[in-house]
Amino acid sequence: DAKTTQPTSMDCAEGRAANLPCNHSTISGNEYVYWYRQIHSQGPQYIIHGLKNNETNEMASLIITEDRKSSTLILPHATLRDTAVYYCIVRVAPTIHAGNMLTFGGGTRLMVKP
Amino acid sequence: SAVISQKPSRDICQRGTSLTIQCQVDSQVTMMFWYRQQPGQSLTLIATANQGSEATYESGFVIDKFPISRPNLTFSTLTVSNMSPEDSSIYLCSVETDYSGNTIYFGEGSWLTVV
Repeated sequence: DAKTTQPTSMDCAEGRAANLPCNHSTISGNEYVYWYRQIHSQGPQYIIHGLKNNETNEMASLIITEDRKSSTLILPHATLRDTAVYYCIVRVAPTIHAGNMLTFGGGTRLMVKP
Repeated sequence: SAVISQKPSRDICQRGTSLTIQCQVDSQVTMMFWYRQQPGQSLTLIATANQGSEATYESGFVIDKFPISRPNLTFSTLTVSNMSPEDSSIYLCSVETDYSGNTIYFGEGSWLTVV
């Protein structure tokens, strides 16, 4: 799986959009971009994933550049409860019984401030 | 999403003892994974567990230290054997669902402190 590069930490004001960047310049055509977050002392929580189109769900939006070498996770209205470590992970296209595990990097520690 | 329950959620263990962590999923899944997260670190994969076959261990992890069972499609155990303080970590069970795009979900983790 391709490596990803994320800033170590970021701050965001409560109520504002949090934009978390991720570089994955060596991504292959069959690799998806996944985002997870880990709130202190909890297990990682799945947020969203995508291949090349932008994706949106109830938690966040994922914007993937046309060349797929980078992406941005957007939390539209950050709250204090969004304070967490956010992991951007590239993973080979999941197929039935693929068993392709997630390889975690250091992630971005997002601090949402009042 | 899958609902994953881990037991124990937290424990303090004596050096030299062994502890078995249980992972129960609310639906049948083919692939289960066990991760370790040492204090202040990111997650590291210990092994992949398929039902009906031997677990596949990652480099640096061996079956004698971390034996795994996978008796059916909803349950797995990880044993941390002959524990030392260096084994103090969060141990996380995760599953790859056979639906919703084969997304991987995590349990809440088992916090082990070895004294």
